[in-house]
Formats: sequence, structure tokens, C-alpha cells
Amino acid sequence: EAQVTQNPRYLITVTGKKLTVTCSQNMNHEYMSWYRQDPGLGLRQIYYSMNVEVTDKGDVPEGYKVSRKEKRNFPLILESPSPNQTSLYFCASSWGSMADTQYFGPGTRLTVL
Amino acid sequence: GQQLNQSPQSMFIQEGEDVSMNCTSSSIFNTWLWYKQEPGEGPVLLIALYKAGELTSNGRLTAQFGITRKDSFLNISASIPSDVGIYFCAGLGGATNKLIFGTGTLLAVQP
Repeated sequence: EAQVTQNPRYLITVTGKKLTVTCSQNMNHEYMSWYRQDPGLGLRQIYYSMNVEVTDKGDVPEGYKVSRKEKRNFPLILESPSPNQTSLYFCASSWGSMADTQYFGPGTRLTVL
Repeated sequence: GQQLNQSPQSMFIQEGEDVSMNCTSSSIFNTWLWYKQEPGEGPVLLIALYKAGELTSNGRLTAQFGITRKDSFLNISASIPSDVGIYFCAGLGGATNKLIFGTGTLLAVQP
């Protein structure tokens, strides 16, 4: 089944404790992206990747890192999480660009205390 | 960061009614996208618009790319209960050439 998977689905952590949210897609998509969703603000793009080893900042990249060592995986790294990073995070992938149909993962709800 | 102005914020309607929502921006976009998000899930693309003035339908959904390239509209005809969800517009291009989402329109349909 074609899908985007994210792990973990729920995470509660404390300020400053490094964490990684994994994202994997099995559709051989070139484009992958991370978004955060907050009430009243909609989705905001954090980082995106056009292909392996090619990443670029989205609208709200501060406090986040990403890597794209393999085509299928695009982990989101929070080196020192803070409470303002409490949010619902979505990973997405598409064939070629963000204008193509993006397939979203199920979301990761992160709480930073 | 940039945001799109999406309205209305929420709509509570009766089954069978038509629905209209829109997004406006101070920036010009090259592509407009409309997504629907159901509770507990990620957004799903409904319609993509690539040219100013373009009018595209997907079943009971119709969307238009505004002539000024600064706005887009989504209409849903004869709403049904499964139309419930949050509808997001998204614009690609603009001043930063990033994908910018609207704040969403919550749609509730009463049977």
C-alpha cells in the first residue's frame, strides 16, 4: 500500500531534550516536506527536499533540522525543543514538486513541557 | 511568515446547501491548491489550479484561480454530511516562492 508513515504518532518530552521524528514514503517520490499545524494558523512549511541531499528552508525553519540521505526517508530533528514547538507535525511527499499532489502522513502530535 | 487570508473561518450549514469559500493574498501566486482535512488525518488534495482564470471541477467541487492571481475560490454544491472537515487553500509562488497555506475553513454539515 502506497503511504507516508511517521513515527512516533504522539510524543511528550521536556525542553532541551533532542528528538527525531521519522518520515518514510514507499512511493519513490522525489519531493518530501515537513509542516507544522497550529490552531488558527493552518499549516506552515518547515523544510522541504527536492531530492536526495537537497534540502531547503520553508516558511518556519528556526529550531529544526532535516536530512535526506536516502530517497525514502526525511527525518525531522529538534536539537533543543522548546514549548513553542508544541504542535501537530505532518510529513508529505510528491513526485516532483510541492505543486504536485502531496501525500500526507498521519501526523505526529508533539508536546514539549 | 506569510499567510493567506481565508474566509469564512467556519460554516455551519444544512445538508443540500451550496458552500463558498475564498482565499486572498497581497502576493501573486503561480499555483493555487485546495485541500481537505478530516479529523485525525493529514490533508488531501482536492483541486489544483495552474493558470489565472482557470476554472476546474472535481465532482461537486469547483475552484477558480482569480484573474489577478491574488485570490482563489472553492464552491461545493449540494453539500452532504461527508463534506465535513477543514478546507485549506494553498498558494505557491509569491514573494518567497514557498508553499503558503491559508488558515482553513471549518465546514459542518447538519443532516
